Amino acid sequence: SQQGEEDPQALSIQEGENATMNCSYKTSINNLQWYRQNSGRGLVHLILIRSNEREKHSGRLRVTLDTSKKSSSLLITASRAADTASYFCATDETTDSWGKLQFGAGTQVVVTP
Amino acid sequence: KAGVTQTPRYLIKTRGQQVTLSCSPISGHRSVSWYQQTPGQGLQFLFEYFSETQRNKGNFPGRFSGRQFSNSRSEMNVSTLELGDSALYLCASSVRETEGSYNEQFFGPGTRLTVL
Repeated sequence: SQQGEEDPQALSIQEGENATMNCSYKTSINNLQWYRQNSGRGLVHLILIRSNEREKHSGRLRVTLDTSKKSSSLLITASRAADTASYFCATDETTDSWGKLQFGAGTQVVVTP
Repeated sequence: KAGVTQTPRYLIKTRGQQVTLSCSPISGHRSVSWYQQTPGQGLQFLFEYFSETQRNKGNFPGRFSGRQFSNSRSEMNVSTLELGDSALYLCASSVRETEGSYNEQFFGPGTRLTVL
């Protein structure tokens, strides 16, 4: 079963625009992470936000976390064609769940030149 | 550092056969997790190994098994293959139980298994 659900399922934007995607989850979490996957290849870790953090930045990425609403958002600013990929949020629920991430269904992002 | 490597990258098997997939973690990473990715079910956790012991397990039948060696390399085995086992199998490694580590997983490129 999947813990997280991403919204929207698909997003099409032009280069230079910002892309925002959201993730909702069901149970209490330790951390929430975002990953990128290109064309059915391996996942690339983008950013991790701990449950006691509210916002985090990494380059063109901005992640927010609202534990009261059990939701997170990922913002990619000034998008590039190379950002075309599927983006997944992943949560881990307890300190005993090391390695056991619960993934959402993902948001497919297409960035056109 | 070299990334997570998985072999083979592609595999075609027929129903009823068994298959073994291999994963070599990033040097220094002692935790290895396995995931199955299908269009219908998405990414699902199979199991996690640390210090040659299975520490966490997902909701998969006993046909799915794994092991970890003393050098942290891991293998997963699927016996009596079914058509529904066709998937991308991803391995991830991480630094476990180390101060400052937060369950960040580093994934390999995956093994694409097709069951005919």
